[in-house]
Amino acid sequence: EIVMTQSPATLSVSPGERATLSCRASQSVSSNLAWYQQKPGQAPRLLIYGASTRATGIPARFSGSGSGTEFTLTISSLQSEDFAVYYCQQYNNWPLALTFGGGTKVEIK
Amino acid sequence: EVQLVESGGVVVQPGGSLRLSCAASGFTFDDYAMHWVRQAPGKGLEWVSLISWDGGSTYYADSVKGRFTISRDNSKNSLYLQMNSLRAEDTALYYCAKDVDSSGYGYFDYWGQGTLVTVSS
Repeated sequence: EIVMTQSPATLSVSPGERATLSCRASQSVSSNLAWYQQKPGQAPRLLIYGASTRATGIPARFSGSGSGTEFTLTISSLQSEDFAVYYCQQYNNWPLALTFGGGTKVEIK
Repeated sequence: EVQLVESGGVVVQPGGSLRLSCAASGFTFDDYAMHWVRQAPGKGLEWVSLISWDGGSTYYADSVKGRFTISRDNSKNSLYLQMNSLRAEDTALYYCAKDVDSSGYGYFDYWGQGTLVTVSS
């Protein structure tokens, strides 16, 4: 099973600042990586797929990068609605298993 | 508008059985693979199972293999998860999620709001 490790577990950021979230795979997943945002009491929402392609309706302040084993989600200027938990997910080891990272909570500093 | 509405979550005793349902609308249901993903209270996300557009292919996480069965009824735009031999560690919010492909590309563009399964004596 491919293990996905996200860091940091919690990120404290002020509104308007840049946030950089990391995701590492235990083996290469090529560019088969997605990012999701989950707010309290809500279902996850797809942000990024293919490591760097924004999903429909996702603002341009969200960007994804990386390939292989190292990936980054960047939020260029945090808005109040962006404070949430973010998960990465690999879909390279498929159809054997899909795995998620443990999540990064972005909180208000 | 795509809508996925799960139901069937209850409190069940260890060893018991349960069937979850997911009603889909707003898209052509039989064009897409569908998944179940779960989230234990206060924890992260765990993929559970996938079914292809026609039900011909199914896949399961090791943690549920042999105990859970995924199925679909395209005439009713519905997805199901039969859960047997339930354990305390199956306690979670169960989400129905839509794949972007008919056979299952592996990521999810729409999610339901989830249904809570609690396994407890």
